[in-house]
Amino acid sequence: GENVEQHPSTLSVQEGDSAVIKCTYSDSASNYFPWYKQELGKGPQLIIDIRSNVGEKKDQRIAVTLNKTAKHFSLHITETQPEDSAVYFCAGQLIWGAGTKLIIKP
Amino acid sequence: EAGVAQSPRYKIIEKRQSVAFWCNPISGHATLYWYQQILGQGPKLLIQFQNNGVVDDSQLPKDRFSAERLKGVDSTLKIQPAKLEDSAVYLCASSYSSGGSYTGELFFGEGSRLTVL
Repeated sequence: GENVEQHPSTLSVQEGDSAVIKCTYSDSASNYFPWYKQELGKGPQLIIDIRSNVGEKKDQRIAVTLNKTAKHFSLHITETQPEDSAVYFCAGQLIWGAGTKLIIKP
Repeated sequence: EAGVAQSPRYKIIEKRQSVAFWCNPISGHATLYWYQQILGQGPKLLIQFQNNGVVDDSQLPKDRFSAERLKGVDSTLKIQPAKLEDSAVYLCASSYSSGGSYTGELFFGEGSRLTVL
């Protein structure tokens, strides 16, 4: 069955520094790779996604890179800000990653 | 534009009782999803509807969970009888995608938190 692994489970970075979260997937047929952000008490919200015909996508301070050969995709957040503190999930079709709690230290 | 509406926000029941959750998706969204999110874990897809037909329910525990989407709009998820391990947040999401494939943004409601005692 489908397997999605996400690392690290917790990431603490200094405000202004960069954060990288990695997701590994098992389904070779996967062609859509989204990242969601979930704040306490709320539902997840899409922050960026990428399709299999593209290797990288950027949106201001957020970027996603895809390595289809190695079956992993990563979320990159630059110049982190306090409002970036949340739990981030990579999503598969049936199963999501376990989440990364991102803590931004002032 | 109104978002995905869910109710109730919180529900506490005893094991072996029944419970129902309601979801109203964003207007015009053909696809509706129910996810189960256990504390500290990522969401797990329970069922996906395309209009009022089921696209995927492979992870739905059909001996106790049921879901329907009448008229292709609102949806109800029911658990009967509930077990302790059903304690979780039940998230409803919708997407515009009409092809049934998983390749588009999901819009989530705030979820219904279930506690089974």
